[in-house]
Order: sequence, then structure tokens, then C-alpha cells
Amino acid sequence: QVQLQESGPGLVKPSETLSLTCTVSRGSISNYYWAWIRQPPGKGLEWIGDIYMSGSTNYNPYLRSRATMSVDTSKNEFSLKVTSMTTADTAVYYCARCGFNPRLDALDIWSQGTLVTVSS
Amino acid sequence: QSVLTQPPSASGTPGQRVTISCSGSTSNIGSTYVHWYRQLPGTAPTLLIYRDHQRPSGVPDRFSGSKSGTSASLAISGLRPEDEAEYYCEAWDGSLHGPVFGGGTKLTVL
Repeated sequence: QVQLQESGPGLVKPSETLSLTCTVSRGSISNYYWAWIRQPPGKGLEWIGDIYMSGSTNYNPYLRSRATMSVDTSKNEFSLKVTSMTTADTAVYYCARCGFNPRLDALDIWSQGTLVTVSS
Repeated sequence: QSVLTQPPSASGTPGQRVTISCSGSTSNIGSTYVHWYRQLPGTAPTLLIYRDHQRPSGVPDRFSGSKSGTSASLAISGLRPEDEAEYYCEAWDGSLHGPVFGGGTKLTVL
């Protein structure tokens, strides 16, 4: 069974950039779309964006171009950067697999999530 | 304010059947599949129903999904204490060009 594991800091200062990496194990990153989703404490789920192995990306417009995703197929991992972090970005960040076609397929595998707190 | 609308809470007693609704629009539920996720406290969401009514392997047939027009429903029969969790619906939105979620429904087993 494919597993996903994020890595990155749990604490980010306001105005700084968040960098997270999601490593795919027990399977290949190829041929699938991969997504980042976040969940503020006590709130619902918010899609951040998705990326294909080719590097093609699609972002939530409400993040107003602060998010950038990249993929490294040689390392079987993909990454997320979010600039100009504020306290409103405090959330549990998840990476997930979204199948062969995000318009049709569900997020079928999720990471355990990492809490990112924005605080000085 | 979530794009998909779910009731914030639902409840039932062991053995009962409960349903959770998810309302959207023609740009999401009305034009593509709906998926459902379950989130136990302190854990990541897991896929429960995909493509309106399909169950991933390992999900018991007590869980079923349906869709009509711009609304979808998740039904849980033979309610068990371990079904107590938060349930989310999700669908691709053609206006956002990305998936949107419901606000979640907290299911309590009385």
C-alpha cells in the first residue's frame, strides 16, 4: 500500500515562507496527480493545489499566487512552498494522491498530516 | 463558508440508519462525481465512498452513497460506536477548477 509522509517545520514566523515535502513510498509517483490540502484547527478541509509528474500544476485561486508546488520524480517526492505566511495559515497540512484525473478521482491516499503553526 | 453544504451535526443510536446530506450546484455535484471521507478525531481523513456510490476495498457495505441532481447523501446503516467521526463530502468544481469540500458533519453515536 502506497504511503505518504510529509516533512518540514512545525513552526513558521509571520511573513516567512513555508516549505513542505511529501515523500511517496511503496509505490511510484509516476502517472498520478498529487495534492496538498490543509485544515485549520477545528475547521474543515481546504484544497491548496495539485501537481502531475510532468510538473503541471493547478492552484486554489484563493491563495492568491502564494503557493508553489514542484515534483522530483527521481526522489519520488513533491513539495509545497507558501510565501508570506500569516496566522490564518496555521493548519494541519496533508499531502494526498488524487488518482489519474483529479476532475473524476477521489483523494484516495492521505498522509498523516503535519501541524504548521505561524507564530513569532 | 464552504462551497458544499452539509449539516454540522447528526446523531443516531447503535443499530440505526443515519443519512448525511451534501448540497452543491451545477458547477460541482451537478456535473461530476461526489466523494466522501471519514475523519476520526486526531487523524487524517480516509476515503469512504468514491464516484458517488463506490466503496474502496475494506469499507463495509453498511456505508452507501447516492446522488441526485445537485445533492448527494451518505447513508450509514447498523450504526456502531466506532462510526463516531467527522464526515466530509467533496466534488470537483468547474468554476474553481479544483476540488471543493463540505464543511463536515460530526456524527455522534448516542
